[in-house]
Amino acid sequence: RKEVEQDPGPFNVPEGATVAFNCTYSNSASQSFFWYRQDCRKEPKLLMSVYSSGNEDGRFTAQLNRASQYISLLIRDSKLSDSATYLCVVGTSYGKLTFGQGTILTVHP
Amino acid sequence: EAGVTQFPSHSVIEKGQTVTLRCDPISGHDNLYWYRRVMGKEIKFLLHFVKESKQDESGMPNNRFLAERTGGTYSTLKVQPAELEDSGVYFCASSQGTTYQETQYFGPGTRLLVL
Repeated sequence: RKEVEQDPGPFNVPEGATVAFNCTYSNSASQSFFWYRQDCRKEPKLLMSVYSSGNEDGRFTAQLNRASQYISLLIRDSKLSDSATYLCVVGTSYGKLTFGQGTILTVHP
Repeated sequence: EAGVTQFPSHSVIEKGQTVTLRCDPISGHDNLYWYRRVMGKEIKFLLHFVKESKQDESGMPNNRFLAERTGGTYSTLKVQPAELEDSGVYFCASSQGTTYQETQYFGPGTRLLVL
């Protein structure tokens, strides 16, 4: 079983749509939770950290459920520029990151 | 401010040869990480330096891989001898501290192809 599992996708949505990604993790000792974005042939870039209370950054909302070991990302009003691979990432107390395989999102006109 | 840089951007070598990858972290970042993505798989942790010391090398696949960070600045990752399964993208990341919420900034990666 993978340590971090994500919806495999790909997701193809029209501009303006709302799309949700889900992720589960197996290590209950995980300390930190993130969503990274990776454009084609580029490096991963932090999209947002995820907190138990849930957090929002513009059109992006992330949720964490520690009891269920579940993380989600909601993107509202999708833009063409949101097309990318979204990586669910879990961290230990010393900074080691464990990545999910990523979910490909394509937003079309 | 310059980001994390990696050299070379691409490397194509034959099985059995040696390759050395270099990473320059963001200036002032004590923490440096190496990760790897092989085709069709997720990005995986290789090791973590704090300054010049190896904090965690649990992800290093075998003794053909040697990482160094002399002087606590840039780091090198040497693969000797390279095997076909070493092909992939090698990412380096750096962060200022080791608190668990610290952001890791990734370099553009080195694409290694072993023929």
